[in-house]
Amino acid sequence: QSALTQPRSVSESPGQSVAISCTGTSSDVGAYDYVSWYQQHPGKAPKVMIYDVTKRPSGVPDRFSGSKSGNTASLTISGLQAEDEADYYCCSWAGNSLAFGGGTKLTVL
Amino acid sequence: EVQLVESGGGLVQPGGSLRLSCAASGFTFSTFRMHWVRQAPGKGLVWVSLISSDGKTTNYADSVKGRFTISRDNAKNTVFLQMNSLGAEDTAVYYCARDYNGLGYWGQGTLVTVSS
Repeated sequence: QSALTQPRSVSESPGQSVAISCTGTSSDVGAYDYVSWYQQHPGKAPKVMIYDVTKRPSGVPDRFSGSKSGNTASLTISGLQAEDEADYYCCSWAGNSLAFGGGTKLTVL
Repeated sequence: EVQLVESGGGLVQPGGSLRLSCAASGFTFSTFRMHWVRQAPGKGLVWVSLISSDGKTTNYADSVKGRFTISRDNAKNTVFLQMNSLGAEDTAVYYCARDYNGLGYWGQGTLVTVSS
C-alpha cells in the first residue's frame, strides 16, 4: 500500500489554468478507472471534485476536469479563482484498498 | 440531506483503546460501502479501512491491521472503528465517508489524540 505521488505545491494567477499530476503504478491508477480528486480547505472536510477519472459531481464547476494516461492521472482547473486555493488530493482504488496522494497545495497568486 | 456525524474521539494514553462511531442519515445506509480516512495534524489524507454494505467484507491499511476493527450496524445506520494498542502515530482527525461517486460524502471528523 503505497501513496500516490503528487507535487507538493503549485501556483498560478487568477484566470489561468493549472494541472496537478498524480502518479501511481500499474496496481492502482493504471489498473482501474477509479481515480477521484478531493479539495480541502483549512479546517474543513474534503470534498469530491472528480470521480471515476473524468466525472464531475453535480454542483462542481466545469472548470474542473480530470484525465488519465497510463499510471498518471491529472486534475486540471481552468479559469482559476481565489476560492480554488486549497489542498488537492488524488485517490485511486488499489484492488482491496484506497490509495491517496500526498496532497498538493494550490496557491492562486 | 445526507449527513455523516462522527463521535468518540478524544485523548487516550499510548496503548489504550477508543471506539469511534459514525451515524448516518438521509440515505439508505445499508446499500453503501463505507470508509474511514484519517489525517494527522498538518499532514495528508490516509485511508484506514473499508466495510462492505452488508458488513461481510472488511479491509485495512497495513499500518492498522490487527489493531483496528471496522464494523457496522445497519439497523442503527452506524459504522464503527474499534482502535486498540494506540500509539502516537495514530493521532489524527478520523473521517468516515460514503463510497459512491468517489467518496461522495464525508463527516466533519473526530479528533483522536494519543498522548501520555
